[in-house]
Amino acid sequence: DQQVKQNSPSLSVQEGRISILNCDYTNSMFDYFLWYKKYPAEGPTFLISISSIKDKNEDGRFTVFLNKSAKHLSLHIVPSQPGDSAVYFCAASASRSSNYKLTFGKGTLLTVNP
Amino acid sequence: EPEVTQTPSHQVTQMGQEVILRCVPISNHLYFYWYRQILGQKVEFLVSFYNNEISEKSEIFDDQFSVERPDGSNFTLKIRSTKLEDSAMYFCASGGGPPHTQYFGPGTRLTVL
Repeated sequence: DQQVKQNSPSLSVQEGRISILNCDYTNSMFDYFLWYKKYPAEGPTFLISISSIKDKNEDGRFTVFLNKSAKHLSLHIVPSQPGDSAVYFCAASASRSSNYKLTFGKGTLLTVNP
Repeated sequence: EPEVTQTPSHQVTQMGQEVILRCVPISNHLYFYWYRQILGQKVEFLVSFYNNEISEKSEIFDDQFSVERPDGSNFTLKIRSTKLEDSAMYFCASGGGPPHTQYFGPGTRLTVL
């Protein structure tokens, strides 16, 4: 039951270039989407989120785009830095649910090469 | 900056033993969660807790699991009789309300032998 899918297990980019991480979802009830960054043996760190009433949200080098009709979101990191190397998780929640639990994708390992 | 803390960072136990994982959520948050990640798999929801009661639990959260908020700061997950398959990273998270961004603790690595 993969309601949130990250189809690329890994991505490798050069320092200074753009990193684009993709995420697809199947549950139409999802209306809030988040990206988390995770280093080994640490907890997920919140990066950026987007509500379904928007199609873009920007925070510094990070931009998230949401295409509701395609049930697709993407995280753009520009410019990429070696310190961005980590696993990135896409997560989604449904506000109509009373508990706002997060459903996660399997993650994409981003490697930024100097 | 406020953060979620968890203790211990690593717990090793024998199968059948009880373990208690502890979390201190961010102080003004109202929603509390436990998630786990088995090695190589995705982070999966276990239970949510709001207004001093469980608001939802997953299929994983069977009778061997329980949660408690014994005072105004701590949030605990108890596994009554651990199994080998309970070995995982357990993450506590808290959220303050809409839009319900959740902030995660560093995790407890549970190893069941």
